[in-house]
Amino acid sequence: DGGITQSPKYLFRKEGQNVTLSCEQNLNHDAMYWYRQDPGQGLRLIYYSQIVNDFQKGDIAEGYSVSREKKESFPLTVTSAQKNPTAFYLCASSIPGLAGGSEQFFGPGTRLTVL
Amino acid sequence: QKEVEQNSGPLSVPEGAIASLNCTYSDRGSQSFFWYRQYSGKSPELIMSIYSNGDKEDGRFTAQLNKASQYVSLLIRDSQPSDSATYLCAVEGDNTDKLIFGTGTRLQVFP
Repeated sequence: DGGITQSPKYLFRKEGQNVTLSCEQNLNHDAMYWYRQDPGQGLRLIYYSQIVNDFQKGDIAEGYSVSREKKESFPLTVTSAQKNPTAFYLCASSIPGLAGGSEQFFGPGTRLTVL
Repeated sequence: QKEVEQNSGPLSVPEGAIASLNCTYSDRGSQSFFWYRQYSGKSPELIMSIYSNGDKEDGRFTAQLNKASQYVSLLIRDSQPSDSATYLCAVEGDNTDKLIFGTGTRLQVFP
């Protein structure tokens, strides 16, 4: 059963704590992405990785870190430096589209709340 | 700053009508365009991709692209209450795998 899994579905964090969000895919996709979504806003790119052991900052990388040690896995750590981490976090992976674009597919998301 | 603009809505249409969702983008070099559907509390689901000018049809959905006007739209024919969701437009720039998302248009289909 192919797909993208994210865990946990809900996560509560105390201020000052680091937390790690899991993202795993068995679609054999090379590229993986992390986005955050705030109410009433579009998706904003945090980090992305096009190949194992390489990743690039997106538009809002401050306060976040990632690793890409395996093709299937792209975990995201939300550090205490992230001032407003409460949001819906979405992981995606992509394949090249028919005409050269990249079609991204999303996992079910993790809803992070800071207490 | 590359931007993708959508009317936030809500767009309300009666069941059976055609819903028309619009999106404009600022990067003239953009080559790939996508529509995602997002139900409340869920993750986005890819429903259409379009790469060349003109229309692309898939079932009840038609995507329309006009690169000269930097405009992409999604038509939903025979709208159903189950189509009620937020529709996100996403644009991929030239020589990049990154998508820029609009803030989405909320569609409400009433019986």
